[in-house]
Amino acid sequence: EAGVAQSPRYKIIEKRQSVAFWCNPISGHATLYWYQQILGQGPKLLIQFQNNGVVDDSQLPKDRFSAERLKGVDSTLKIQPAKLEDSAVYLCASSPVGGQGRRGYGYTFGSGTRLTVV
Amino acid sequence: DQQVKQNSPSLSVQEGRISILNCDYTNSMFDYFLWYKKYPAEGPTFLISISSIKDKNEDGRFTVFLNKSAKHLSLHIVPSQPGDSAVYFCAARFAGNTGKLIFGQGTTLQVKP
Repeated sequence: EAGVAQSPRYKIIEKRQSVAFWCNPISGHATLYWYQQILGQGPKLLIQFQNNGVVDDSQLPKDRFSAERLKGVDSTLKIQPAKLEDSAVYLCASSPVGGQGRRGYGYTFGSGTRLTVV
Repeated sequence: DQQVKQNSPSLSVQEGRISILNCDYTNSMFDYFLWYKKYPAEGPTFLISISSIKDKNEDGRFTVFLNKSAKHLSLHIVPSQPGDSAVYFCAARFAGNTGKLIFGQGTTLQVKP
């Protein structure tokens, strides 16, 4: 099966600018996650969608971050305005409903977008 | 509040020997534990998981052990190979249907030829 696609791979912006990331999950996967991974730390969940509804956005800084998943397929994550501390890798992942896959609850990540805010 | 902790930032082992990566957790509501492996410039890839009702799961060279009373799990890689050199993340899943995972900080494993 095709993997989770993300674009762009790299992005450099100045602080206070805006940026958007795109994710196309594995076909048929109802659940989509956006994670933020700061250098030296583990991935942190920002937002989780099930189909096109939000399941969990408790860790999303809503004053500057927004995300949508139109038609329950592709998703975009936006930051406006960006801060220096937003520099991180933004990872998109997808899974069947509830995370249950063929090998248990591991879901599939994309390669990520590395954001540098200067 | 770090619910999943990997206290060793790095580990170096010789090829052919055993690698043991450790992880501690604090929340009793986790029902599954997983290990992910990450190479530079790639996303994490799922490696192996274990249910909270088991104490061991094996898949080839990889074995995960769970000690619920100590809230501790470990990943054993035997024998270690240079291609195993990567960052390993421990993750824990909250019981329920959301599939939300909480990750540890990661341990960088270097396997020397």
